[in-house]
Amino acid sequence: AQSVTQLGSHVSVSEGALVLLRCNYSSSVPPYLFWYVQYPNQGLQLLLKYTSAATLVKGINGFEAEFKKSETSFHLTKPSAHMSDAAEYFCAATSSGSARQLTFGSGTQLTVLP
Amino acid sequence: KAGVTQTPRYLIKTRGQQVTLSCSPISGHRSVSWYQQTPGQGLQFLFEYFSETQRNKGNFPGRFSGRQFSNSRSEMNVSTLELGDSALYLCASSLGGRTYNEQFFGPGTRLTVL
Repeated sequence: AQSVTQLGSHVSVSEGALVLLRCNYSSSVPPYLFWYVQYPNQGLQLLLKYTSAATLVKGINGFEAEFKKSETSFHLTKPSAHMSDAAEYFCAATSSGSARQLTFGSGTQLTVLP
Repeated sequence: KAGVTQTPRYLIKTRGQQVTLSCSPISGHRSVSWYQQTPGQGLQFLFEYFSETQRNKGNFPGRFSGRQFSNSRSEMNVSTLELGDSALYLCASSLGGRTYNEQFFGPGTRLTVL
């Protein structure tokens, strides 16, 4: 069975500071990995995905993530936080190439301080 | 293209009742997946429909069921509602092929069970 762990249910950063959201996965097969963002009263929006191509993945809004197999990690980073980045972020994984049955982490609420 | 739409957006029911939620996928998408989001359990996969057939199922009791119509619209039904069924129910649509196709999420239906 697959599991996804997000370290830190709440993360606060100052505007302009580095954003680092942590995600570790547990999988017996090479996974496909995703980061989603959810704004209040909205659905999930895909930020970026790893599908066994380049290990450093660039996404929308300046976010990127690096797949590290040796650490079973897929941490999300952004060099400079913006107030509009305040939202909840979910890491997700699947072993299926079709990626329609996702296992999600518990989410990290990002607060950006002025 | 219009996005994934879910109706209704908000719903209040009482214990023991049943409820039907609707999801209209993006035009041309044939796969619809359903997820339950609660503060305690997070995001959990319910089931996926493709071409009117349930293709994958998560670990939920039989009170949770779904179907898909020939136009790819999907409904999910929850019978004999319990307080713990209060949640945001998200659906996601994708093209549905064997290889990876991005899932697009709707805004969700927030169900409150009193």
